[in-house]
Amino acid sequence: KNQVEQSPQSLIILEGKNCTLQCNYTVSPFSNLRWYKQDTGRGPVSLTIMTFSENTKSNGRYTATLDADTKQSSLHITASQLSDSASYICVVTRGHENAGNNRKLIWGLGTSLAVNP
Amino acid sequence: GAVVSQHPSRVICKSGTSVKIECRSLDFQATTMFWYRQFPKQSLMLMATSNEGSKATYEQGVEKDKFLINHASLTLSTLTVTSAHPEDSSFYICSARPHWGRGNTDTQYFGPGTRLTVL
Repeated sequence: KNQVEQSPQSLIILEGKNCTLQCNYTVSPFSNLRWYKQDTGRGPVSLTIMTFSENTKSNGRYTATLDADTKQSSLHITASQLSDSASYICVVTRGHENAGNNRKLIWGLGTSLAVNP
Repeated sequence: GAVVSQHPSRVICKSGTSVKIECRSLDFQATTMFWYRQFPKQSLMLMATSNEGSKATYEQGVEKDKFLINHASLTLSTLTVTSAHPEDSSFYICSARPHWGRGNTDTQYFGPGTRLTVL
């Protein structure tokens, strides 16, 4: 079954601390994996995207890793800021490049991160 | 660049009325637009995929006669919730995929969402 599971479900950290969010998936065939940040009451914003051959991607204080063998990804946030408080969603695209609209996004439930002062 | 807007951002309506939500790509042409629904503390659920000038493709379990989608131009798609009921209350989000977004990266840009409350 094609699933994306994220952990922890929620996380509270102090401003300035680092944290790591986890994503495990069973999606096949795998095309790519994205991490999104979704602020409350807003649409998701893409942070990183990785294809099968990439195992790390950075975007400022966000660093994502991908282990395609174990089907695991992580998102590391360094020096957290209050504005990092949001839901972080892992999304895996299933399907081959030429599958057109048969490609599907498999969404995780997200990790709710709260950064406290 | 790559901004997607939605209007209205918030709407409250009475049960039985119809509500139209607009999704616009402001600075690019979107060959494909997607409509999602998100319930509290849940992830986005794809409702339908629409390509400009053709009928929308609905996901299993989504009533096409209740959720009317029109993608009349490369920058505008509308979702009309017909005869809305309280259970239709949700956060509706659209996304737009530019012509360069096809292929292995499936780039989509998301709108800010529309909060629908049906009384």
